[in-house]
This record gives sequence, structure tokens and C-alpha cells, in this order.
Amino acid sequence: IAGITQAPTSQILAAGRRMTLRCTQDMRHNAMYWYRQDLGLGLRLIHYSNTAGTTGKGEVPDGYSVSRANTDDFPLTLASAVPSQTSVYFCASSAQDFNTGELFFGEGSRLTVL
Amino acid sequence: GENVEQHPSTLSVQEGDSAVIKCTYSDSASNYFPWYKQELGKRPQLIIDIRSNVGEKKDQRIAVTLNKTAKHFSLHITETQPEDSAVYFCAATLNTGFQKLVFGTGTRLLVSP
Repeated sequence: IAGITQAPTSQILAAGRRMTLRCTQDMRHNAMYWYRQDLGLGLRLIHYSNTAGTTGKGEVPDGYSVSRANTDDFPLTLASAVPSQTSVYFCASSAQDFNTGELFFGEGSRLTVL
Repeated sequence: GENVEQHPSTLSVQEGDSAVIKCTYSDSASNYFPWYKQELGKRPQLIIDIRSNVGEKKDQRIAVTLNKTAKHFSLHITETQPEDSAVYFCAATLNTGFQKLVFGTGTRLLVSP
């Protein structure tokens, strides 16, 4: 089934540890995104990539990094996790722009930093 | 940059009533306005969207209206049902170089039987 796969679905992490959230899509979408969802704050964009090899910063990029080595994969790394990064993380993808397609979300990764 | 404000944050209605959620945006260049529904523990999913060249769009019990002059758009759900209970997010495009979506803070809709 075509779509977006995220892993892990849930993780508890000690502060200071490094963590990579994985995201893979099989829709051949050029654009991919990472959002975090926090109660009362909605969905906020962390980083995005409009095509393989290119990434950009969103609204809340500090403490996170991404890479886009190919079209399908867009991992999000927390180099040294802090409690304020406790959140639900959604990976998403879309065609090149929204004139032709919608934003599709993965199932989410719930991260707890203690 | 784009700022999207969404109201109300919570909305309780009786089954069969109508529900209206409103959003405002700041970027006059925004041209795409989707609405997403998120059920508890699930991913957000697109329910309806509207582009800047139209003022209203309907899909069965759901409609969206857009006022570009006032920079606001609204979601209307008629004949609400308990399965409409969810969190609803509006969004608008931010067109700085690469087009991105900026989301509102969400509305929790509760439909009571």
C-alpha cells in the first residue's frame, strides 16, 4: 500500500541521547516535511526538503537536523535530546507544489524525553 | 512569514447541529487553504481544500468558504454526527521560495448524541 512509513511509533529517551526518527515514502513525492504536534500549538514545521539533496528550515528547527540522500527517505535527528522535544512527530510528503496535490502524513512518532 | 489563527479552540454541539470553525491568515500571497481532520491517535487527513480562485466549495455535509479580501476562511459542517468528533486543523500556504503549509492551532469538535 502506497504511503508514508515512520519508525519508531513510540520511544522513550533519556535527555542528552541522540535519536533518529525514520521516514520513508513510496509515492515518489519530491517534497517531504517534518512537523511536531503539541497540545494547543498545532502542527509546527521543523524542516522540509523540496527535492533530494536539498533541505530547509521551518518554524522550529533548533535542536533538529535532517538529510535527504534520495527521494524516498527523510530522517530527522535529535543530536542531544531535551525534555522540550517531547512531542508527536509527523513526517509528511507532497507533490512539488500544492497546485497539483495534497499533503500526506505518516502515522506519527511519539517521543518522550526524560 | 505566514501566521494562521484558528477559532474556537474547542467546540461542543449536539448531534444534528451545524459547526463552524474560522481561520485567518496574514500572507496575502497564500493561494491554497486545506482543512485536515485528526481523530484521536491517528494522523491528520485532508477533508476538503479550497484554492484562491473560488469563494466556496462543498462536499456533502462539509463546506469551506474563503474571503481573500478579509484573509479569512471557514469550515462548515452541517447535520453533525458523533463520528465528526475530532480535532480539525486549517492551513494556508507560505510562498517564500518553496511553498509550505502553515497550520492553525486546531479546534477540538465534540458532537454529543
